[in-house]
Amino acid sequence: GDSVTQMEGPVTLSEEAFLTINCTYTATGYPSLFWYVQYPGEGLQLLLKATKADDKGSNKGFEATYRKETTSFHLEKGSVQVSDSAVYFCALSGSNYKLTFGKGTLLTVNP
Amino acid sequence: EAGVAQSPRYKIIEKRQSVAFWCNPISGHATLYWYQQILGQGPKLLIQFQNNGVVDDSQLPKDRFSAERLKGVDSTLKIQPAKLEDSAVYLCASSGGAATNEKLFFGSGTQLSVL
Repeated sequence: GDSVTQMEGPVTLSEEAFLTINCTYTATGYPSLFWYVQYPGEGLQLLLKATKADDKGSNKGFEATYRKETTSFHLEKGSVQVSDSAVYFCALSGSNYKLTFGKGTLLTVNP
Repeated sequence: EAGVAQSPRYKIIEKRQSVAFWCNPISGHATLYWYQQILGQGPKLLIQFQNNGVVDDSQLPKDRFSAERLKGVDSTLKIQPAKLEDSAVYLCASSGGAATNEKLFFGSGTQLSVL
């Protein structure tokens, strides 16, 4: 079945550092890929998505590129802020229309 | 626009008791989901409704969990009887459709502690 494996945290960075959170997936066909973010005390919200190979999703300075050859969708940001502290979830939606999540990565950004 | 509403925000019960969670999706959203998020894990789909019909309930422990979506709007998830391992955050989400690239909107969740 479909599955998502993402980098285990927690990840602690200083403000303005470069961020990468790795995500790889297993799925049949051509899934859509997502990054969701959960800020403290809030519900999950969509950060960005990509629906086909080589697509780049971007939002709020975050980017991720759909790499079919490596089955990856790594999240990157060039300069993190304290306000980016949250839990980040990689997810995919496959042929069964079910959204499958990774375990989440806790990011803490210190001033 | 109003988001996905869930209640209660927190619930503490003893094992073998019953509990119910309520969800009101975004107006007009046909698809509604219930997810279970155990501490340290990603959300796991329990059940998906399309209007008031069940699309997927393959991971719902049907001996103790039940869910309904009357009139294709609000939904209720029930656990009876609860077990210790049911302690988790129960998330409700909705979307306008069921396409693979559809964006889901999540509520804040109900945190359940079973003692």
